[in-house]
This record gives sequence, C-alpha cells and structure tokens, in this order.
Amino acid sequence: DAGVIQSPRHEVTEMGQEVTLRCKPISGHNSLFWYRQTMMRGLELLIYFNNNVPIDDSGMPEDRFSAKMPNASFSTLKIQPSEPRDSAVYFCASSTGLARDNEQFFGPGTRLTVL
Amino acid sequence: AQTVTQSQPEMSVQEAETVTLSCTYDTSESDYYLFWYKQPPSRQMILVIRQEAYKQQNATENRFSVNFQKAAKSFSLKISDSQLGDAAMYFCAYTEYGGSQGNLIFGKGTKLSVKP
Repeated sequence: DAGVIQSPRHEVTEMGQEVTLRCKPISGHNSLFWYRQTMMRGLELLIYFNNNVPIDDSGMPEDRFSAKMPNASFSTLKIQPSEPRDSAVYFCASSTGLARDNEQFFGPGTRLTVL
Repeated sequence: AQTVTQSQPEMSVQEAETVTLSCTYDTSESDYYLFWYKQPPSRQMILVIRQEAYKQQNATENRFSVNFQKAAKSFSLKISDSQLGDAAMYFCAYTEYGGSQGNLIFGKGTKLSVKP
C-alpha cells in the first residue's frame, strides 16, 4: 500500500493567494483527518471526516479555511486568502474508523510557506 | 478540556542506553487511549505504542514500553537499547472513548538525540 499521499510536499505562496492542499487516504479507510503543525502550537486537529462527511470542524481557525471530501479517495484543504501566519506543516491522516483504538496513519505532510 | 503536557523539550541518550520520556495529561474521562508517536526528520508520523486506559498492564512493543499511572495521569515512554534510528521528535497523544472519538490531542513533543 502506498500509504497516505499528500501533495504538494512543499508550497510557497504570497499573502492573499489561494492555496489548495490535497490528500489521498489509504484505500479502505473511511476516516480522514487534517492536522496543522507549528512550533508555537504543536499539532492541532483542524477537521475530520467519516464516510466523506465532516464530523467536527471546530479546529478550523477561520472562515478562510475550508475542507472537502468529495469521495472516499480524495480530500482538499483550501486556504483563501492565505496569510503569513498560516505557514505550517499540514498533515493528512486516515484510519479505518473513528473508534478510539483505530490507528491513524499519517501522510508525509505539506510544508506551506506564505510570504 | 483535555490537555497533554510533555515537560522535556529535548532529551539525549547514549547509544545502547535507556531513556524515559515523560508525558502527563488532564482529563475527567475514565476511559480513553494514549499514544506515543515518533516523527523523524522525514516528518512522517509513526505510531510507536498505544495504551488503553482500562488496562492496567503496561503496553510493550519490542524495545519500547510505557509506564502508565492512571491515578497520576502519567504516561511515560521508555526506550531500551537506544539506537541511532530512534533519534526523532516524540509526541504523546490522547483520545477519549466517547464523544469526539476522532480527536487526537497531542503534546508539544520531545526531541530525542542519540549519541554514538
């Protein structure tokens, strides 16, 4: 299995631009999670989906952030407009379900730099 | 709200020696899961070990073991016979049994260096 795939691995953009991060979960996994990692705040859950439906988006910092999961094999996290404080590593993770013992498998992350 | 605290930003260990990473957490729940994740320089998050709160026996995975003290809300990770490949950031994480089952709450991490 290829594991969780994220693209791009690195993204550099200018303030005000739209940024779209992509994630392909492991085949057969029906839960998907988006995390953000910064030095100041560590790893934070932004939003998660179960069976393509958003379950909890309370971690999404602002309306500038949006996430979609149009099908079981693809999810996007969009930031519009982007700001320098959005610079972080964004991780996508997937699991076989929401049970607390289901291991979450993480992708390699996307390092976003907003100038 | 649940919180996870790792009080050691950095730790160092000699190769082949043993090191213990500390983690404390705060919760009012009685049933939950605790995890240790490893993040090497490649940034990949890798699950090292997990512990179910209702199990008194400490989890063990090869050279990795935990000391789970439920009353003290402490969950430390012991790495025995440390290897150069163990050098990484280690994150302690918590998730509760019910409610927001998908919400992994992470500590700030401990950077482990292994000296040859």
